Amino acid sequence: AQSVTQPDIHITVSEGASLELRCNYSYGATPYLFWYVQSPGQGLQLLLKYFSGDTLVQGIKGFEAEFKRSQSSFNLRKPSVHWSDAAEYFCAVEGNTDKLIFGTGTRLQVFP
Amino acid sequence: SAVISQKPSRDICQRGTSLTIQCQVDSQVTMMFWYRQQPGQSLTLIATANQGSEATYESGFVIDKFPISRPNLTFSTLTVSNMSPEDSSIYLCSVESDGEQFFGPGTRLTVL
Repeated sequence: AQSVTQPDIHITVSEGASLELRCNYSYGATPYLFWYVQSPGQGLQLLLKYFSGDTLVQGIKGFEAEFKRSQSSFNLRKPSVHWSDAAEYFCAVEGNTDKLIFGTGTRLQVFP
Repeated sequence: SAVISQKPSRDICQRGTSLTIQCQVDSQVTMMFWYRQQPGQSLTLIATANQGSEATYESGFVIDKFPISRPNLTFSTLTVSNMSPEDSSIYLCSVESDGEQFFGPGTRLTVL
């Protein structure tokens, strides 16, 4: 069965520091992978997605993610975090049924 | 892209009553989805709303509890029936457009 694991429930970083949010997936074939961000009181916004090709994917707001098949991972990174990045981040996988399966999310807190 | 609006944005309801949530998209889409996000949890797919046919429900969700309408390609409703406090959640509408899923702002439901 398809599944997504986000091992970190809550991460705190200082503004300007680098960030890496972890995501591991379980799926038999090459999945479609997504990172979404949910700010307080807001809907979900797509940060980036991986379908195929280059395993390093660039997204909006300075985020990037790297697909590593050998590790079944799709970690999200940002070199320098801004206070406005504080939000909930969800990794998701889409299998062969066009349905998204979400991880449990990582709450990012940014200190000035 | 797709812009999605939901009504109401939030509501507080009494146990045993029902609430209908509306989802409006600014373009015609084939696939519409309804998700539930319980407090502090990730998103769980309730059902896929199909235009012209019955919705397809995920395991653990039934039509009697969550009836869905999809009268056309830009609109859908989700009803939460005979509510209990356990139904307190954020309900999100989502559509697929050009291989990407877009989400509405959500409806925050509190059941007393």
